[in-house]
Amino acid sequence: GQQVMQIPQYQHVQEGEDFTTYCNSSTTLSNIQWYKQRPGGHPVFLIQLVKSGEVKKQKRLTFQFGEAKKNSSLHITATQTTDVGTYFCRGSGNTGKLIFGQGTTLQVKP
Amino acid sequence: GAGVSQSPRYKVAKRGQDVALRCDPISGHVSLFWYQQALGQGPEFLTYFQNEAQLDKSGLPSDRFFAERPEGSVSTLKIQRTQQEDSAVYLCASSLVTPVGRAPTYEQYFGPGTRLTVT
Repeated sequence: GQQVMQIPQYQHVQEGEDFTTYCNSSTTLSNIQWYKQRPGGHPVFLIQLVKSGEVKKQKRLTFQFGEAKKNSSLHITATQTTDVGTYFCRGSGNTGKLIFGQGTTLQVKP
Repeated sequence: GAGVSQSPRYKVAKRGQDVALRCDPISGHVSLFWYQQALGQGPEFLTYFQNEAQLDKSGLPSDRFFAERPEGSVSTLKIQRTQQEDSAVYLCASSLVTPVGRAPTYEQYFGPGTRLTVT
């Protein structure tokens, strides 16, 4: 069945370093969403990408959707302690299936 | 405004007990989703409603799981004869289907979840 793999599972960075998480789907996605979940909290929507090759920015966060619409990335420039949490991608397949990646947990050392 | 609320926030059940988890979506949100999130994992899709219609229940792990949304607003996820492997956080999310003519947006607003522990 359709799978969405997310890597890495964990990432520890020093404050100020950059961070990237990657999301790869076994099938073409109609769109992809990114969510952030703080420890003990619930997922909070960050952004949705729909078009092939789309790039969107939110301050220090850059989101990309691959040309083949099978992969995506989230890049954070100059991490801050407030960036701590787990970042999930959620793919929507052409059949409408909604699948979350396993998440990347980011720890930022001050 | 009020977000998605879920109750109870925590539930401890003995194996074999039935439980009912409630979700109050954001007023006016057409779509409602239930997810199961095990510790350290991403949310796993369980089921989806559009208004009162359950359009997809392919993620429900067994026939012990049942969800309803009889009036198209509040939803209840019921688990019968709970097992230890049912222990997880159950998340509810709602979304507003955007009007025709605008770019489709399916941002989901999540509730705080119900942490179910089966002993």
